[in-house]
Amino acid sequence: KAGVTQTPRYLIKTRGQQVTLSCSPISGHRSVSWYQQTPGQGLQFLFEYFSETQRNKGNFPGRFSGRQFSNSRSEMNVSTLELGDSALYLCASTQRGGDRVIHEQFFGPGTRLTVL
Amino acid sequence: KQEVTQIPAALSVPEGENLVLNCSFTDSAIYNLQWFRQDPGKGLTSLLLIQSSQREQTSGRLNASLDKSSGRSTLYIAASQPGDSATYLCATMEYGNKLVFGAGTILRVKS
Repeated sequence: KAGVTQTPRYLIKTRGQQVTLSCSPISGHRSVSWYQQTPGQGLQFLFEYFSETQRNKGNFPGRFSGRQFSNSRSEMNVSTLELGDSALYLCASTQRGGDRVIHEQFFGPGTRLTVL
Repeated sequence: KQEVTQIPAALSVPEGENLVLNCSFTDSAIYNLQWFRQDPGKGLTSLLLIQSSQREQTSGRLNASLDKSSGRSTLYIAASQPGDSATYLCATMEYGNKLVFGAGTILRVKS
């Protein structure tokens, strides 16, 4: 079974631009979560999507948004990029999440975003 | 608000040594606790998942315990090898598949 895939793996953008990152979960997984990892703040939760609905959101500004498609693939968008948005962006997928049984999260390799 | 702390921040040990990594959390109302490994510049690899109703999980040379009442988890690595060198992260899970991570323990196993 293929793991979580993220594209692109590396991105270089300039301040003020916008960027879209993509995440394809493990086949059969319906929940996708996004995280930002920086040396200063560590790993921080951005948001989670289940069945095309955002169920949970972290403490990030509205410039960070996401969506999930009917095939469970998810995209994350950052508008008006700032230097501080430079980070490794990770997505994770989980088999379920609509019931009280919580399953293991599996992470993709990440997208390294550099903002100049 | 959940806070997860990992001690020590860094650890250097000779090959073959048994070691313990510590994780503490402030809110015991967790769904589960997961231990991950991260190699430099890479994503996270799941090592062990302990459901909130469980006390421990084992996989090969790894054993993780969970004490919800005291807000603690430990990851025990037996007979460490140079290939175990990585950053180890623990994370508690809240509603909506939200993981709250500790800052990690950087492990170096010397040959």
